[in-house]
Order: sequence, then structure tokens, then C-alpha cells
Amino acid sequence: DAKTTQPTSMDCAEGRAANLPCNHSTISGNEYVYWYRQIHSQGPQYIIHGLKNNETNEMASLIITEDRKSSTLILPHATLRDTAVYYCIVPQGSGNTGKLIFGQGTTLQVKP
Amino acid sequence: GAGVSQSPRYKVAKRGQDVALRCDPISGHVSLFWYQQALGQGPEFLTYFQNEAQLDKSGLPSDRFFAERPEGSVSTLKIQRTQQEDSAVYLCASRSDTGRQETQYFGPGTRLLVL
Repeated sequence: DAKTTQPTSMDCAEGRAANLPCNHSTISGNEYVYWYRQIHSQGPQYIIHGLKNNETNEMASLIITEDRKSSTLILPHATLRDTAVYYCIVPQGSGNTGKLIFGQGTTLQVKP
Repeated sequence: GAGVSQSPRYKVAKRGQDVALRCDPISGHVSLFWYQQALGQGPEFLTYFQNEAQLDKSGLPSDRFFAERPEGSVSTLKIQRTQQEDSAVYLCASRSDTGRQETQYFGPGTRLLVL
């Protein structure tokens, strides 16, 4: 089962791009990488996921390295409302149980 | 809104009381998960249902914790004889299982405080 490693915290200036790294060196070939975030006192919010190719949606972009051992979540123009804990997760469990192991995540502080 | 809903949003219980927490998943979602989040920590897996079947309860911390989903839709997490260490946010998530991808969608959580 793949585990992930993220920096504990990061700061970003409002309006600038926030780049959040994640290492998942033990990921297997058919496992997806998921990103969630949790704003204070709310439930986790799904952001984006990917397998091999880079992905983009209305919230963020996900860049996955060719060897799939790491990825970067990019928030192109961070706002104060993006301040949250960001979790990089590879769902666990055989038979696609898919339980999520959250870890500590990265606390992103967007500053004015 | 057709998201995951949970009730109550807040619950205060005296030590030793039984509590029941409800989760209404997104309509039609096959899988349902419960997680526990202690203050300052990430959510931790408790249990998993596929329809009405409880396929994984490995994360339940003790036999005081019991979950059910009798009709494969609404789920209830019950905690008997609550202890102070049960104080946490209890999160429910559901997943459609229509394909290979495994996106779980979370509710707002129930914040339980045991005095």
C-alpha cells in the first residue's frame, strides 16, 4: 500500500501560484493519487485526482512525474479562501475498498 | 443540494451516555465510509459499507462503536457508554462505485464532545 509524504506547512502570497508537493515512491501502477483539502471546521473537500497524465479542473492542476513517485498540486492564483490543510492520498485496500489514509497533510497559509 | 448530510452537527454527551450519529449519503452511492478526526489530526478510517454489507470495520476503536446501514442508504454510527476520548469529529463519506475511480465525497461531520 502506497504511503505519501508532504511538507508540514507552506505559505503563499495571495494571487500567486501555490505549489504543493507530495512523494509517493511506493505507489503501484494502477493506484491513483487523490488530493483533498480541509478548511477549518468543514469536511474534507475533493480537489482532483490522477493516474499518469497531468490533470486540470476548475480548482487546480495536478502534475505527476513520469515515474509516478511524486506529484505537485498547483493552485494557479491562490486566494485567502484557499487557506486549508491539503492532503495527498493514495486510497488503500485490496478489492477496491479504497479507504483513505490522510496523514498530517500540508497546512497552506495564504497571506495577503 | 445533493451532497452528503450528517446530523446532528454538534452533540454534547455526558460520559456514559449512548449517542447515535446519522449519515445521509449522496443518493445512489453504493459505498459509505465513517472516519474519526481528533483535534489537530487528520481523519482516521473507522468502517466501510458496500450497500448494506459492512465489509471492513477494522478501524472501530472498541466494541462500544457500532455502525449499521440496514437498507443500503442511510447509516448510523452508534457509540455506547461514551468516554472522554471519544470526543472528536465524526465524518461520513460516500462513493458511487460506478467505475474504477474512487472519489469519496464527505459530509460536514458531527462534532461530539463528551463531558
